[in-house]
Amino acid sequence: GQNIDQPTEMTATEGAIVQINCTYQTSGFNGLFWYQQHAGEAPTFLSYNVLDGLEEKGRFSSFLSRSKGYSYLLLKELQMKDSASYLCAVLDSNYQLIWGAGTKLIIKP
Amino acid sequence: ETGVTQTPRHLVMGMTNKKSLKCEQHLGHNAMYWYKQSAKKPLELMFVYNFKEQTENNSVPSRFSPECPNSSHLFLHLHTLQPEDSALYLCASSREREVNIQYFGAGTRLSVL
Repeated sequence: GQNIDQPTEMTATEGAIVQINCTYQTSGFNGLFWYQQHAGEAPTFLSYNVLDGLEEKGRFSSFLSRSKGYSYLLLKELQMKDSASYLCAVLDSNYQLIWGAGTKLIIKP
Repeated sequence: ETGVTQTPRHLVMGMTNKKSLKCEQHLGHNAMYWYKQSAKKPLELMFVYNFKEQTENNSVPSRFSPECPNSSHLFLHLHTLQPEDSALYLCASSREREVNIQYFGAGTRLSVL
């Protein structure tokens, strides 16, 4: 079966750095997405990786290793507004998105 | 504002009621999706429409009935629901079915009593 694993919940301190991991086992691979979802709001697109390596976008970076079936989202200089759920999703060989259950990130002052 | 609007935001219904969820996108996209989001579970894809044609129905019970009158509008008709259908129902759109940066609405929080 297809599976996406990510931690259920993480806690970090304002101003610090946090890394949210995602491992996947899917039928084929056509890219990996990260979405952010604040409570009661729509998930919003953060990043897309299809090649190995690190993609940096401001305070957020996303890393992919296809050989290891592994990705992480790195958030730097954490702000209180970064408290949200972070969803990992993989596009499989049928171009269907397989979703993880999300990681709830709690930022403390 | 994501360009995808869902109404209503909240809905409480009894098991014998009939109601409809509405989704509208202002992005000029050709693919639209219905998802079910339950607490601590992955998003469950329910239906996909591409150029107004339904391309996927992921074994969804017949008490959920989708309708896509045009590329900008998507409905989910509900009838004879069960309490376990209580969840957040999300609509999303993307430019094409294979171009999968999806843009989501804020969802309808459904409670079935």
